Amino acid sequence: EDQVTQSPEALRLQEGESSSLNCSYTVSGLRGLFWYRQDPGKGPEFLFTLYSAGEEKEKERLKATLTKKESFLHITAPKPEDSATYLCAVQAGGTSYGKLTFGQGTILTVHP
Amino acid sequence: DAMVIQNPRYQVTQFGKPVTLSCSQTLNHNVMYWYQQKSSQAPKLLFHYYDKDFNNEADTPDNFQSRRPNTSFCFLDIRSPGLGDAAMYLCATSRDFGGGSIQYFGAGTRLSVL
Repeated sequence: EDQVTQSPEALRLQEGESSSLNCSYTVSGLRGLFWYRQDPGKGPEFLFTLYSAGEEKEKERLKATLTKKESFLHITAPKPEDSATYLCAVQAGGTSYGKLTFGQGTILTVHP
Repeated sequence: DAMVIQNPRYQVTQFGKPVTLSCSQTLNHNVMYWYQQKSSQAPKLLFHYYDKDFNNEADTPDNFQSRRPNTSFCFLDIRSPGLGDAAMYLCATSRDFGGGSIQYFGAGTRLSVL
């Protein structure tokens, strides 16, 4: 069974204090790992897709990396507007082909 | 901008009174999904359409049904809402099913059941 575990559950940072969010996964044949941002009361907003170990992608203050067992979302010099829940999801082969398995999310709060 | 649009954003219904939620897309994607998300939980897939082919998740209650009359629109029907059905309902689309295809989500419909 595909599993995704995100840590920490919640993270509080001061503005400018860089940190990382972790997404550990166990899947049968990874097809893609996805990072989404979700603001309260809204749908998930797509951030990145990573397809193979060693791949990295960047967007503004965010950088996503992927290994064979986990992904990190690095946040450099965060601002209060980066506060949101960050969801990690995997898409695998096998019996769950095509479906996204989500982690529980990390709630990020950035204080000014 | 191309997007996934859900209406209404907020829906209040009474216990047992049927309700329909709407989703439209301008992305011309083949696949449309419906998810249920309860507070502080991950989205849970209810079903999806690949073109006109309907695929129901095994644990989706019979109370939930869906229609896709054309490529652009998809509806979620809840026949007899219970208090436990109060949640955020998310529609998503993707160009393909699997193969690393990205799912794009709408803003969601918050359903309250009185």
